[in-house]
This record gives sequence, structure tokens and C-alpha cells, in this order.
Amino acid sequence: RKEVEQDPGPFNVPEGATVAFNCTYSNSASQSFFWYRQDCRKEPKLLMSVYSSGNEDGRFTAQLNRASQYISLLIRDSKLSDSATYLCVVENYGQNFVFGPGTRLSVLP
Amino acid sequence: EPEVTQTPSHQVTQMGQEVILRCVPISNHLYFYWYRQILGQKVEFLVSFYNNEISEKSEIFDDQFSVERPDGSNFTLKIRSTKLEDSAMYFCASRETGMSNQPQHFGDGTRLSIL
Repeated sequence: RKEVEQDPGPFNVPEGATVAFNCTYSNSASQSFFWYRQDCRKEPKLLMSVYSSGNEDGRFTAQLNRASQYISLLIRDSKLSDSATYLCVVENYGQNFVFGPGTRLSVLP
Repeated sequence: EPEVTQTPSHQVTQMGQEVILRCVPISNHLYFYWYRQILGQKVEFLVSFYNNEISEKSEIFDDQFSVERPDGSNFTLKIRSTKLEDSAMYFCASRETGMSNQPQHFGDGTRLSIL
């Protein structure tokens, strides 16, 4: 089983739509969780950390379910600029990041 | 906003040659990392570095690879005797501390092409 798995995508949605991404991880000892976004051939950029109680940053909401080893990202009122690949990232003991394969989002006008 | 910088942005090298990729982490950060991303694939961890020594490395990081912090600002990745399969985007990252929930900040990468 892969360490971090994500919806395969791609997701093609119209502007203004709400879209949700799912992620599962295999290591129950994982400590920290993040969502990064990556534009084509660019570096990963932090979107948000994911906290146990869930957290929101503007149009973005992240949820964590440790019992199910599941993380989600909800984007409301999608903008054209949200088009990117969304990377689920898990931190294991030793502090290296394990990246998921990413889910590509295209927001269409 | 402070950022991680990497040079060169693109490196083209003949197979078998040595290459050095350079990174300047954010100045008050203590933890440094190298990752690679082969075209079309996921980002993969190579090595982490703290207090002037390697703290963890992946299976990818074999004897062909080495890292060094030659002075107070640079963090380098050396690849000896490059192979075709070393062609990838290499990202450097840094982190202020090792505390949980603290993100890593990535440089914009070096594209390495092995011919």
C-alpha cells in the first residue's frame, strides 16, 4: 500500500464551484499534515497545515480524521487561479515529508 | 518574505559527470532538505540535514549522493557520476525548527538534465 494516496483526478470544475479532495495515509504514527499546491513545473507551495480539529483559511477548509487516516481539502467558490495540482503531505517521525501523487484541478471559465 | 533560493535553475550535464546543486536556505532556519521530482511523478524525499550532519536519508540517496553545508549560508547536493535516471527537478527546502506542524519552505528548484 502506498504511503499517501490521493484522488487520481483530474478535476475539471466551473468557476464558483465547490470541490473536495481526499487523501489517505498508511502510517498511523504520522505526526503532521499539510496541503501544498504545485503549479506546472514549479515548486510546492504551502497552502495550509491541517490540524486535528479541522481548520479554515478563507475559501479553503481542511479536515483530519486520525482514526480513519484520512485528510480532506474543500475549496469553495473556485477561482481560475486555483487551477493547480494539490499535494497531500504527511510528516513521519524523522521529519521528512511524504508526498502524495497529487490531484490536478482545472477551474474553467 | 524570505525565501529559499536555488542555483542554477537548469543544469545540463553529460552522463558520468559530477554535478553540484546549490541552495541558500532561509537564514534563521535550522533544518534543510533535498527532494527530487522526476517529470510526471511525485515529489520524493532524498535527505534531511541538521546540525551539520545527515539526520535521515531515503533509499534513493545512495553513495552517489552527498550533501554539505560548506559555510553558514549554502547547502549543496553533489551527485557523482550522474546517470540518465538522475534527470529530474531537485528541490531544496528548509524549516525553522523540527516542531510538528511547522511547514517546509521550498526553493524554486533546479532542473537537472543528463544527456
